[in-house]
Amino acid sequence: QITLKESGPTLVKPTQTLTLTCTFSGFSLSTSGVGVGWIRQPPGKALEWLALIYWDDHQHYSPSLKTRLTITKDTSKNQVVLTMTNMDPVDTGTYYCARRAYSDYFGYWGQGTLVTVSS
Amino acid sequence: QSVLTQPSSVSGAPGQRVTISCTGSSSNIGAGYDVHWYQHLPGTAPKLLIYGNSNRPSGVPDRFSGSKSGTSASLAITGLQAEDEADYYCQSYDSTLSGSGYVFGTGTKVTVL
Repeated sequence: QITLKESGPTLVKPTQTLTLTCTFSGFSLSTSGVGVGWIRQPPGKALEWLALIYWDDHQHYSPSLKTRLTITKDTSKNQVVLTMTNMDPVDTGTYYCARRAYSDYFGYWGQGTLVTVSS
Repeated sequence: QSVLTQPSSVSGAPGQRVTISCTGSSSNIGAGYDVHWYQHLPGTAPKLLIYGNSNRPSGVPDRFSGSKSGTSASLAITGLQAEDEADYYCQSYDSTLSGSGYVFGTGTKVTVL
């Protein structure tokens, strides 16, 4: 059974750095073709892809946010960490992690974690 | 910000057929990248509904079907049921000189009358 779960702060202040952790089970991020990505959804808005890390440690970032994002993995802990710098109220939303396997879609998602950016 | 355009809402009576369009461009759907669809109920994890334009993961009812043509794709729901009331998103891949990455549609809310 594949599961993913996001964790991190629920409230961050403007200009701070957000660090989110995705802890997963039921698969290995060392398996060829597998990746774990982050997607967010501002309140009332659409899903937006942020970043993805592949089994071979290749990182892929949204062109519009790449200067603010860093994605890393710890294969031994089954975790993927996303950091986003210089947080702004427009970054408020639910952040999801999801598994990408063998093709460019996300087959399994976490429940999401709501992050509010406010002073 | 979304490069894939969907109608904001569609509705239908139970048992009816509804379709949701997903319009892209030559840098994503038109470039040959596959289209995938997700069902999203508020407060829950999005669920993969269709992958690779027209394939259903195991457990997804055959009431859901997908197709792709040119720079667009469509999701059809036949025999609409109350439990189908949710938000639906298409997703593809986009590649331009400015960069590349995964892209989602603007989202469509399906209402069962």
